[in-house]
Amino acid sequence: EAQVTQNPRYLITVTGKKLTVTCSQNMNHEYMSWYRQDPGLGLRQIYYSMNVEVTDKGDVPEGYKVSRKEKRNFPLILESPSPNQTSLYFCASSSRGATYEQYFGPGTRLTVT
Amino acid sequence: QKEVEQNSGPLSVPEGAIASLNCTYSDRGSQSFFWYRQYSGKSPELIMFIYSNGDKEDGRFTAQLNKASQYVSLLIRDSQPSDSATYLCVRNSGYALNFGKGTSLLVTP
Repeated sequence: EAQVTQNPRYLITVTGKKLTVTCSQNMNHEYMSWYRQDPGLGLRQIYYSMNVEVTDKGDVPEGYKVSRKEKRNFPLILESPSPNQTSLYFCASSSRGATYEQYFGPGTRLTVT
Repeated sequence: QKEVEQNSGPLSVPEGAIASLNCTYSDRGSQSFFWYRQYSGKSPELIMFIYSNGDKEDGRFTAQLNKASQYVSLLIRDSQPSDSATYLCVRNSGYALNFGKGTSLLVTP
């Protein structure tokens, strides 16, 4: 089954404790991205990757890091999480780049206390 | 500007009625639009894609694009309670996707 998977799906952590949210797709897509979704603010792009070893900032990159060492994986790293990073996070991928249909993962609900 | 404006709702329609969801945008350079549906706590899923002026129909859904008026709409015919969700209007700027904040639709039995 073609899909984007994320782990964990739910995470409660404390301020400053480094964490990684994994994202993997099995569709051989070159383009992958991370979004966060907050009430009243909609979906905002954090980082994106056009291909292996090629990443760039989205609209809200502060406090996040990413890496793209393999085509299928695009982990999101929070090195020192803060409460304002409490959000619902979505990973997405696309076969045709940033401006075409995005396939979204199931989401990761992160709470930072 | 990147703004894609949607009324947050909720828009309430009775079962079987036509639901009309609207979206306006400020950049005349916008190339195409997507409509995504998002159930509460779930990920967005694509419903429609439209890039030319006029109407595009797919089953119970019709997307309308008017580039002169900078207006996009989604009509849902014969609305069902299962259509109750948030509908996201998404603009393709040519180099990125800009998401509207969404309109909440409630279809009442």
